[in-house]
Amino acid sequence: DTGVSQDPRHKITKRGQNVTFRCDPISEHNRLYWYRQTLGQGPEFLTYFQNEAQLEKSRLLSDRFSAERPKGSFSTLEIQRTEQGDSAMYLCASSLSAGVSTDTQYFGPGTRLTVL
Amino acid sequence: GNSVTQMEGPVTLSEEAFLTINCTYTATGYPSLFWYVQYPGEGLQLLLKATKADDKGSNKGFEATYRKETTSFHLEKGSVQVSDSAVYFCALQPGYGQNFVFGPGTRLSVLP
Repeated sequence: DTGVSQDPRHKITKRGQNVTFRCDPISEHNRLYWYRQTLGQGPEFLTYFQNEAQLEKSRLLSDRFSAERPKGSFSTLEIQRTEQGDSAMYLCASSLSAGVSTDTQYFGPGTRLTVL
Repeated sequence: GNSVTQMEGPVTLSEEAFLTINCTYTATGYPSLFWYVQYPGEGLQLLLKATKADDKGSNKGFEATYRKETTSFHLEKGSVQVSDSAVYFCALQPGYGQNFVFGPGTRLSVLP
């Protein structure tokens, strides 16, 4: 088990460009979450999937953001027409929902996005 | 709504000092509570958790007790080391399978 991985680790782009990030969860984890973390703040929830279904989206997730998890394994987060305010660390987490115990979320290293 | 408040940092301690990082929460229902740690340049790592009132989570010498009456989950360690220097995040999960709500984090610096 190699943990949650994210790619790329760093992305620098110009304002107005589209970017796509990938997250590979821990194998067999059925839940996958995306968070955004800005400097000096805690992570803020963006969206989550159970298997391939996107079950919840935060109001932070504007219509320029889209996330997919097509086969219930890896996920992608795309930001269209990037703005400087999108500069942040984008974190992915996964968990295994089984029974009624708390499903602890395990985080990846994040993708740091800088929009120039 | 659900929210987490942490003591403001940075917290600077000498090695072997006692550590307390305060965390209080507001939540509907009966949340689970977590402490995560983020070392420089790394992702968040689960440090400890507690799922119901009066539970004590512990790991690597750190402890925190779920206090429902004071809606608190303070992190403590009896003797900190330089390697404990990191940012510590308190978080709650309002219900099973729901997204986490994080506090703003508290930066800890431990000096030799």
